[in-house]
Amino acid sequence: AAGVIQSPRHLIKEKRETATLKCYPIPRHDTVYWYQQGPGQDPQFLISFYEKMQSDKGSIPDRFSAQQFSDYHSELNMSSLELGDSALYFCASRLAGNNEQFFGPGTRLTVL
Amino acid sequence: AQKITQTQPGMFVQEKEAVTLDCTYDTSDQSYGLFWYKQPSSGEMIFLIYQGSYDEQNATEGRYSLNFQKARKSANLVISASQLGDSAMYFCAMREGFDNAGNMLTFGGGTRLMVKP
Repeated sequence: AAGVIQSPRHLIKEKRETATLKCYPIPRHDTVYWYQQGPGQDPQFLISFYEKMQSDKGSIPDRFSAQQFSDYHSELNMSSLELGDSALYFCASRLAGNNEQFFGPGTRLTVL
Repeated sequence: AQKITQTQPGMFVQEKEAVTLDCTYDTSDQSYGLFWYKQPSSGEMIFLIYQGSYDEQNATEGRYSLNFQKARKSANLVISASQLGDSAMYFCAMREGFDNAGNMLTFGGGTRLMVKP
């Protein structure tokens, strides 16, 4: 079965640079979530989209923005990167009405 | 206050034995969902099992079962017949409120399970 696809899987950036993370949800899933997992931490919710509209917002810095496109894929844009942004970024997708959130493999971002 | 508490930072279990991973939660919502995820060292998050607050029976999925005690607000994961491949970090998570689109998960701090041969 198709799973959530995230790209790139690994990304290395310098401080103050920008980064774009991409997420392709499971086909027919209409809801996408972004989570950030720092080293040794539990995942923290950033933002979610339902049917291409932002549906909820968590602890997402103002330097970050995200959107969901007409084909339901989502992108997380991160600007003015800081050392503390180094983390594993997960995208998860869900079909509204179903319980499970299925996670992608994550993008490991390292900011030097 | 923490919404999800996992009191066991790390646990050992002998291969082929059963193990219980603890999870307590805090919510004032009547409708909520509880999840368990497995995170191996490779980093991916693997969905294991789900329990809805209105589900009368404990959820089971293969070797995984969820011991749901609503009055105690606990949702412990039981893994039967542990295997070496079960060694991983395990996260308990909760979705609060009705099953609306966009409801995010709140995670506990995780329990690292190590299975001994």
